[in-house]
Amino acid sequence: AQKVTQAQTEISVVEKEDVTLDCVYETRDTTYYLFWYKQPPSGELVFLIRRNSFDEQNEISGRYSWNFQKSTSSFNFTITASQVVDSAVYFCALVHRGKLTGGGNKLTFGTGTQLKVEL
Amino acid sequence: DADVTQTPRNRITKTGKRIMLECSQTKGHDRMYWYRQDPGLGLRLIYYSFDVKDINKGEISDGYSVSRQAQAKFSLSLESAIPNQTALYFCATSDFQGRYGYTFGSGTRLTVV
Repeated sequence: AQKVTQAQTEISVVEKEDVTLDCVYETRDTTYYLFWYKQPPSGELVFLIRRNSFDEQNEISGRYSWNFQKSTSSFNFTITASQVVDSAVYFCALVHRGKLTGGGNKLTFGTGTQLKVEL
Repeated sequence: DADVTQTPRNRITKTGKRIMLECSQTKGHDRMYWYRQDPGLGLRLIYYSFDVKDINKGEISDGYSVSRQAQAKFSLSLESAIPNQTALYFCATSDFQGRYGYTFGSGTRLTVV
């Protein structure tokens, strides 16, 4: 089985603060992919990043950065200098190949973190 | 046009009614999925289909059925809607291994009264 845990239900910050959203995952498979999605108030799901299990290199994209650590099974997401437009629900998700455990190839989501950025 | 199109966008229906949510995609992918989103629970998988002849139950399939009419079309039905099926429903598609992500529709907000 696979599981994604986002322990932070809601985070509130003031604009320009940095904020880190935590994601911890569980899988016994050695081949898997991790994702982050953003869901703004309008409701659609916006893809942010995909990372495969063999690539632990951290990634930065503008104000966004991701820290992938297999040793702690974590894939954390940091927003630097947050802005009001960053206010949204953020989901971490996992898909594994199922080679060891079966039931693979289906995206499993965490419960999401509601980020509120205030002026 | 959107890669994944869901209809309707919003729907209010009465308890006991049959309702169908439709999904079509232009990505050319074989794999399609239906998810349900409830506040605080994230997105949970209802049904998935890896090709036209392969349909599988997800973690919360009770009360739902699906039909894969073609590679591009995957419909979700509620045979007899009940209020706790009020939720936001998403259709998604992916390539063979999902390596390049999953493309989601804009969602259908369903309210059962």
